[in-house]
Amino acid sequence: EVQLLESGGGFVQPGGSLRLSCAASGFTFSSYAMNWVRRAPGRGLEWVSAIIDSGDSTDYADSVKGRFTISRDNFKNTLYLQMTNLRADDSAVYHCVRAKGEWFHLGWFDPWGQGTLVTVAS
Amino acid sequence: ESVLAQSPVTLSLSPGERATLSCRASEGVSNGYLAWYQQKPGQAPRLLIFGVSTRATGIPDRFSGSGSGTDFTLTISRLEAEDFAVYYCQQYGREPLTFGGGTKVEIK
Repeated sequence: EVQLLESGGGFVQPGGSLRLSCAASGFTFSSYAMNWVRRAPGRGLEWVSAIIDSGDSTDYADSVKGRFTISRDNFKNTLYLQMTNLRADDSAVYHCVRAKGEWFHLGWFDPWGQGTLVTVAS
Repeated sequence: ESVLAQSPVTLSLSPGERATLSCRASEGVSNGYLAWYQQKPGQAPRLLIFGVSTRATGIPDRFSGSGSGTDFTLTISRLEAEDFAVYYCQQYGREPLTFGGGTKVEIK
């Protein structure tokens, strides 16, 4: 069974940092692009970041560019999202998703992890 | 960026009825790169349809997608109890990929 399990969310003050992890199982992790998608309270889904299967290329939403870094360890079957200089509007449930399609940063997502909650507040 | 407007925001229907959900894009969706997802409370979103009309693995045939250009539709032919949920459309033809705000299908 294909599974994605996120961890690392929590409560952090504005300006702080968090590192999210996503453990993948049930498929050949190194063959797929991976993305992060978030949903803030009362708001819709927002694409955050993407990484190609090899890890050599990445892409970011303008709202997180320069503050978030996506990476992956294909030996550990794990996806990461390093988040720095966090703001209140980064508060959301962050989902790890496996991407399909022609490009690593433009595809559809299947499956989705349950998500991990990040709360940024003072 | 391409903004996706979903309507209605809430759809109140009874089991057995037909549900028609709309997704309108501010710019044409390239190559039919449009997907639909279902999300139930406390669960992760689940892929229903990609490429406008291709059902994902395991999705029942009461779910169908159609449309082109800027106007797309998700149809649930006969609502079953487990179909009451929030539905999102997503375009992946233009950078950045974007999602609609969602339509909640609730029991009338």
